[in-house]
Amino acid sequence: SAVISQKPSRDICQRGTSLTIQCQVDSQVTMMFWYRQQPGQSLTLIATANQGSEATYESGFVIDKFPISRPNLTFSTLTVSNMSPEDSSIYLCSVLPGGHTYEQYFGPGTRLTVT
Amino acid sequence: AQRVTQPEKLLSVFKGAPVELKCNYSYSGSPELFWYVQYSRQRLQLLLRHISRESIKGFTADLNKGETSFHLKKPFAQEEDSAMYYCALEDSNYQLIWGAGTKLIIKP
Repeated sequence: SAVISQKPSRDICQRGTSLTIQCQVDSQVTMMFWYRQQPGQSLTLIATANQGSEATYESGFVIDKFPISRPNLTFSTLTVSNMSPEDSSIYLCSVLPGGHTYEQYFGPGTRLTVT
Repeated sequence: AQRVTQPEKLLSVFKGAPVELKCNYSYSGSPELFWYVQYSRQRLQLLLRHISRESIKGFTADLNKGETSFHLKKPFAQEEDSAMYYCALEDSNYQLIWGAGTKLIIKP
């Protein structure tokens, strides 16, 4: 299993600013993912955070808007840049410890409100 | 196209009644399917996966390849089952494709 923490748990930000969300895992994991969950919606994968290389982004998400770092196997950050009210959402970090068909473990989420 | 469909956004049943949450999928390969659950004020967590063929908290789900379905069932609902349930399909890159979710409300 894996225990995941995220910081901050919530924030209220002004339009045009940026917020960096941290994801910390208690063990080394192969794969880390960043999701967005907008109010009343399902989860949407933003990107796969790759250790030591650039993240792999899904269609509709770009590095300039959502830069991701993954300096080691236990930590990643997601930055939401130049925020607008449409970015208001819950951002979730998840991990797949073994890289096999195991369960994904999720962080508690970061609730972002952009005013 | 790879897709997971949960046709019901909301399902409300009485305590003790049977529950069935529907999930249909579209996938060209051999599917790996999961049910995740999110209880109020808790993080998303795995409920069960089809390859283990287990029963968790009284829930079961059978993969029906002919009907491309993976419905979640429980014979007798309990109030603590109230939660948001997501069906998910794992693709070849270990990424999950998510259904829209079904909010289950168990009425006393």
